[in-house]
Amino acid sequence: GENVEQHPSTLSVQEGDSAVIKCTYSDSASNYFPWYKQELGKRPQLIIDIRSNVGEKKDQRIAVTLNKTAKHFSLHITETQPEDSAVYFCAASQWSYIPTFGRGTSLIVHP
Amino acid sequence: SQTIHQWPATLVQPVGSPLSLECTVEGTSNPNLYWYRQAAGRGLQLLFYSVGIGQISSEVPQNLSASRPQDRQFILSSKKLLLSDSGFYLCAWRPSGSYNEQFFGPGTRLTVL
Repeated sequence: GENVEQHPSTLSVQEGDSAVIKCTYSDSASNYFPWYKQELGKRPQLIIDIRSNVGEKKDQRIAVTLNKTAKHFSLHITETQPEDSAVYFCAASQWSYIPTFGRGTSLIVHP
Repeated sequence: SQTIHQWPATLVQPVGSPLSLECTVEGTSNPNLYWYRQAAGRGLQLLFYSVGIGQISSEVPQNLSASRPQDRQFILSSKKLLLSDSGFYLCAWRPSGSYNEQFFGPGTRLTVL
């Protein structure tokens, strides 16, 4: 089955800095890669996703890159703000299959 | 639009007591449904998923069970709770046969004493 590794487990940055979270996956058949943000005590919510036919996708301050050959994808957050503090999960799945989640990254943005 | 409900929001139960958590989805039909647990840390552990009425797949053997009596209703149960069952339980749905994201419910925080 699919295995997703996510690093780092904790990331601490100063407000205004950039943050990068990386994930690797094992199943070359995976073709959908979402990223979820979970604030303390709340539900995970999708912030961005990418399909395997695209190498990069951007939405304002967040972007995701995908390297299919190396089987890794990354979340990039620029100009971080305190409200970006949360746990971020990556996931990998095939069409209609069960997604496999990474273990999460706790991002702390210091004002 | 689609909405997912979970109840109760919080629950405190003694060890050995039964459990029933309910999840319902509105505004869609034949969704894929999932139960996850987050215990003490932040990982999402998949417990059960269902692709249709009466169909349940279990990912982790334990004292929990799930049922899907109706298309948009998913129930998580236990006959006897253990201390280790404490955690944050999340129900989620996704349109069947799609790339689409999963939508999570608000969660139930269960404390077993």
